Amino acid sequence: AQSVTQLGSHVSVSEGALVLLRCNYSSSVPPYLFWYVQYPNQGLQLLLKYTTGATLVKGINGFEAEFKKSETSFHLTKPSAHMSDAAEYFCAMGGYQKVTFGTGTKLQVIP
Amino acid sequence: NAGVTQTPKFQVLKTGQSMTLQCAQDMNHEYMSWYRQDPGMGLRLIHYSVGAGITDQGEVPNGYNVSRSTTEDFPLRLLSAAPSQTSVYFCASGRPGRPYEQYFGPGTRLTVT
Repeated sequence: AQSVTQLGSHVSVSEGALVLLRCNYSSSVPPYLFWYVQYPNQGLQLLLKYTTGATLVKGINGFEAEFKKSETSFHLTKPSAHMSDAAEYFCAMGGYQKVTFGTGTKLQVIP
Repeated sequence: NAGVTQTPKFQVLKTGQSMTLQCAQDMNHEYMSWYRQDPGMGLRLIHYSVGAGITDQGEVPNGYNVSRSTTEDFPLRLLSAAPSQTSVYFCASGRPGRPYEQYFGPGTRLTVT
C-alpha cells in the first residue's frame, strides 16, 4: 500500500534561515511526488512536482525538492525563509487515479 | 477561468439534516475528487470521478454520496449529517492525462451540531 510520512507536524525557523521539511514515501512502483502549500483559510496550491527525469525539482517561491530513491525521500527545502512562507505544507504521492497525502507540516517563521 | 469553485463557504447543520456541497470547475478536467481535512490527519479522499457518469469510493466514503452528470459539476451529498462529519471539505480537479496534478477549490467549512 502507498503511504506518505511527514516528519514533524510543526517546524519553526528564523527569517532568513534554511527551511527543511521532511517527507518519506512507501510505494511498490515508481512514484509521482508532490508538495502542496496551504495558506490559512485557503485551498491547497501545487508547489512542485516530481514525475520522471531530473531528481532535483524546482518549484514556486524559491522552494525545491530532491527525489532520492535510495532513501525513499522527497524533502522540501528553501535556502532562506521569508515571513510569507508561513503556511502548512503537504507532501503527496500520486497514482493514476488517487493521490495520497501526508498529514502536513505547519511552518512557522520567526522574525 | 474561475478554476474550481465551491459553495457554500461555511455551513452549520444539525445532526440528521441533509445537504449538498457544490463543486464546479471550468477547466474541462475529467478527474474530480472530494477530500476532507481534519487536524493532524491531512487530507483523506472521500469519492472521486474519472469522468461524467463514473464515480468511485475513496478512503472514507461512508455517509457521503456523489454523482457526476456533467464534466463541470461534482456535488457531494450528506444524507444524514453526524458530528463526525464536522470538517473542512475540499474539491479538486485534475487535467486530462495528469489527474494526479490537482487543482483545489477554496473549501467548505462544515459544522454539525
